[in-house]
Amino acid sequence: AQTVTQSQPEMSVQEAETVTLSCTYDTSESDYYLFWYKQPPSRQMILVIRQEAYKQQNATENRFSVNFQKAAKSFSLKISDSQLGDAAMYFCAYSRQGAQKLVFGQGTRLTINP
Amino acid sequence: GAGVSQTPSNKVTEKGKYVELRCDPISGHTALYWYRQSLGQGPEFLIYFQGTGAADDSGLPNDRFFAVRPEGSVSTLKIQRTERGDSAVYLCASSEDSSRRYGYTFGSGTRLTVV
Repeated sequence: AQTVTQSQPEMSVQEAETVTLSCTYDTSESDYYLFWYKQPPSRQMILVIRQEAYKQQNATENRFSVNFQKAAKSFSLKISDSQLGDAAMYFCAYSRQGAQKLVFGQGTRLTINP
Repeated sequence: GAGVSQTPSNKVTEKGKYVELRCDPISGHTALYWYRQSLGQGPEFLIYFQGTGAADDSGLPNDRFFAVRPEGSVSTLKIQRTERGDSAVYLCASSEDSSRRYGYTFGSGTRLTVV
């Protein structure tokens, strides 16, 4: 069974600084998708960024970028120029090709210090 | 609608009662998903609908849980004989199709508390 591990229950960063959230996963598949979701207190899960495993190039969305290391099964999220609105729970998720369900990690609570 | 709507937002019920949780997906989204998120945990998959049919219900924990989507739009998650361990946030999501191109759009969930 696939598993996703987020080893940092909590992280904090100063506003305008850069922070990296870690995620590792376990799978025997070669083709899959990886995601980072943000969950603010409103509870709605918001897609931050996605990566297709067959693509070697790391995904980037404005201030958010990933470091995808397929051999190491690592998928970290870097947030640049952190803003107060970035404060939330962040979840890493995995989905194998051909399956619909997402497997989530346990989340990292990110605090932004003004 | 503009987003995925879930009602009620919060539900408190007594142990042993029956509850229904509703999900109204984005118009035109054929795929619909239910997840359960216990306190301090990531969401766990329950069931996936493609159209009216449940394509994958492998995440339903036991036969007290059941979900329907009779017309391929609104879905209802039904829990019989609720137990305190069922207390969680139940999240619904929808997507345009079964591909992962766009990711899912999640609702804000229903917080179920069984007392």
